[in-house]
Amino acid sequence: GQQLNQSPQSMFIQEGEDVSMNCTSSSIFNTWLWYKQDPGEGPVLLIALYKAGELTSNGRLTAQFGITRKDSFLNISASIPSDVGIYFCAGPLRFGNEKLTFGTGTRLTIIP
Amino acid sequence: DAGVTQSPTHLIKTRGQQVTLRCSPKSGHDTVSWYQQALGQGPQFIFQYYEEEERQRGNFPDRFSGHQFPNYSSELNVNALLLGDSALYLCASSLGTDLRAFFGQGTRLTVV
Repeated sequence: GQQLNQSPQSMFIQEGEDVSMNCTSSSIFNTWLWYKQDPGEGPVLLIALYKAGELTSNGRLTAQFGITRKDSFLNISASIPSDVGIYFCAGPLRFGNEKLTFGTGTRLTIIP
Repeated sequence: DAGVTQSPTHLIKTRGQQVTLRCSPKSGHDTVSWYQQALGQGPQFIFQYYEEEERQRGNFPDRFSGHQFPNYSSELNVNALLLGDSALYLCASSLGTDLRAFFGQGTRLTVV
C-alpha cells in the first residue's frame, strides 16, 4: 500500500494565491519526484530532487528535498487556472530501486 | 519528439476475458514501466521492462504479464479479468536507471 502521505488532501484557493503542499514518509528516500496529473491524463513530471536540502525551481514551482530525507515540499507561487489538478510526490522506496512509489496526492482547485 | 504513446485510449471488456495494452516509449528511452491507477488513488507499480526482460515487479498476481520488444515498445497483458481490474493503466518510459519517468496518457479499462 501507499507509504507516502501527502497533505493537504485537497486545497481550495483563489487565483493569484501561493500554494504549499508536502509529502512525508516513514522511510528515507534518496530521490523525490513531483508530478501533476490532469483528469483523464497521465502524470507530468514537474521537478526531480536528488539530495537532502536541495531546492529546485521550475517556473513558478519550487520544490525542496527535506534534510531528514523523509519529506519533500512543493510550492506554487501566484497560482493560475491551469495549476488545477492533482499533485503527486513519488520516489524509490529503496536505494537503487527503480520502482516508484507514489503519494496519496493533493488535489488543487481554484475558486473563481 | 514523440512522447510516450499508449493504445487504445479506452477499452471495455467482460469479466473473464483477456486484454492487451500497448505502449511506445519516448524517443531515446529504453525502459518501460506499467502502473495501475484506481480512481482517486496514486499509480501503483505493476512491473518494469529493460532489455526485453522483466527487471522488477510490484505486488500484482501472475494474471498480469508483459513483454518488451527489440524496439523498446511494450505490451501489458491481463488474463481472467476481474471487475476490480477496472482502472487507468499507465505506461512510463525512462532511460536506463534514471528515475525520471515520463508517462503516457493512459488506457482506461472498464471491466463489466
